[in-house]
Amino acid sequence: GQQVMQIPQYQHVQEGEDFTTYCNSSTTLSNIQWYKQRPGGHPVFLIQLVKSGEVKKQKRLTFQFGEAKKNSSLHITATQTTDVGTYFCAGYRGAQKLVFGQGTRLTINP
Amino acid sequence: NAGVTQTPKFQVLKTGQSMTLQCAQDMNHNSMYWYRQDPGMGLRLIYYSASEGTTDKGEVPNGYNVSRLNKREFSLRLESAAPSQTSVYFCASRSPGQGAGEQYFGPGTRLTVT
Repeated sequence: GQQVMQIPQYQHVQEGEDFTTYCNSSTTLSNIQWYKQRPGGHPVFLIQLVKSGEVKKQKRLTFQFGEAKKNSSLHITATQTTDVGTYFCAGYRGAQKLVFGQGTRLTINP
Repeated sequence: NAGVTQTPKFQVLKTGQSMTLQCAQDMNHNSMYWYRQDPGMGLRLIYYSASEGTTDKGEVPNGYNVSRLNKREFSLRLESAAPSQTSVYFCASRSPGQGAGEQYFGPGTRLTVT
């Protein structure tokens, strides 16, 4: 079945440094979603990418969807303490089943 | 709007006990989901309901049952809890769109089975 792999599993940075997490799927995705989960909280939707090669920005966050629609990345420029949390990518398998990557846990030294 | 609500927030069970986790959404969404989250494994789909009156198995359905009571409510039942079911359980609903659409998650239920 469709597998979604995410690396790295953990990342610790100094505040102000950049951060990137990568997502790879074993199959072509129709779209990819990104979620953020704060410590002790629940996943919150960030964005959805649909088109091959698509790039979207949300302030300091840049999301990319690969040309082959099998990989994606999330890049945060100049991290802030509010960026702490776990970032998940996810892709739909069929019409209903959302398959999540394992997540990248970001911690930040202020 | 409350979004997605879940009860209880915390629960401790002994092996063999049963319980039902409740979930409700007020966004008039058709699709609802139950996930479990274990350290290092992301979220795994237990069961989902594409619409009122239908339910289907997800990735890890064994040991669980679900009921889509009406459009708003989707419950998850553990008939005979096992320590392997210690986890955080999230309910979610989805905005319309086939194979797409963001999911809205509830606050979660932290379940410990001893």
